[in-house]
Amino acid sequence: EAGVAQSPRYKIIEKRQSVAFWCNPISGHATLYWYQQILGQGPKLLIQFQNNGVVDDSQLPKDRFSAERLKGVDSTLKIQPAKLEDSAVYLCASSLDGTGDNEQFFGPGTRLTVL
Amino acid sequence: ELKVEQNPLFLSMQEGKNYTIYCNYSTTSDRLYWYRQDPGKSLESLFVLLSNGAVKQEGRLMASLDTKARLSTLHITAAVHDLSATYFCAVVKNTGTASKLTFGTGTRLQVTL
Repeated sequence: EAGVAQSPRYKIIEKRQSVAFWCNPISGHATLYWYQQILGQGPKLLIQFQNNGVVDDSQLPKDRFSAERLKGVDSTLKIQPAKLEDSAVYLCASSLDGTGDNEQFFGPGTRLTVL
Repeated sequence: ELKVEQNPLFLSMQEGKNYTIYCNYSTTSDRLYWYRQDPGKSLESLFVLLSNGAVKQEGRLMASLDTKARLSTLHITAAVHDLSATYFCAVVKNTGTASKLTFGTGTRLQVTL
């Protein structure tokens, strides 16, 4: 079974530029998550989708971050404009559903460096 | 707000030694996970603990859960170099409309020869 796919794996941009990340979850998984992991810290949930609807985006900095999952499968996370403190690894995860009874499976992540 | 704390944050141990990593959380939880993360890699699930008194073992790692104390432990027996990695505990809290996974700060384990 294929795992969670993410691209690109690495991205270097200058502050104030825009960047987008892509995630393809495990087939059949209704719930998709985006996490931000700053160096030396645990992952922090940014947004959770159930199919194509947002369930939780309480920790998403909405002035600069946006995410969508238009067809309930793939998702993109965008940062515009980027700040130095956005340097982190962005992890995508998916699960069968969002009830908590099903394990989340994580992708390899996208490492973002903002200069 | 659910808070999850781990200690120690960094652990350097010799091969063959035993040690325990502690994970405390601030409110009642529905389940707890332990993950391993190698440098530059994603998260690998090690254990899921569902109820009070749960104990799971895999190789040299054993995890336990005390829901009354809001404490989980990850015990390492006779450490080997291959166990060097960062270990995270993560607590699930169901909110009714969704479930949220909150991670601890992580424990970076370095096993020396």
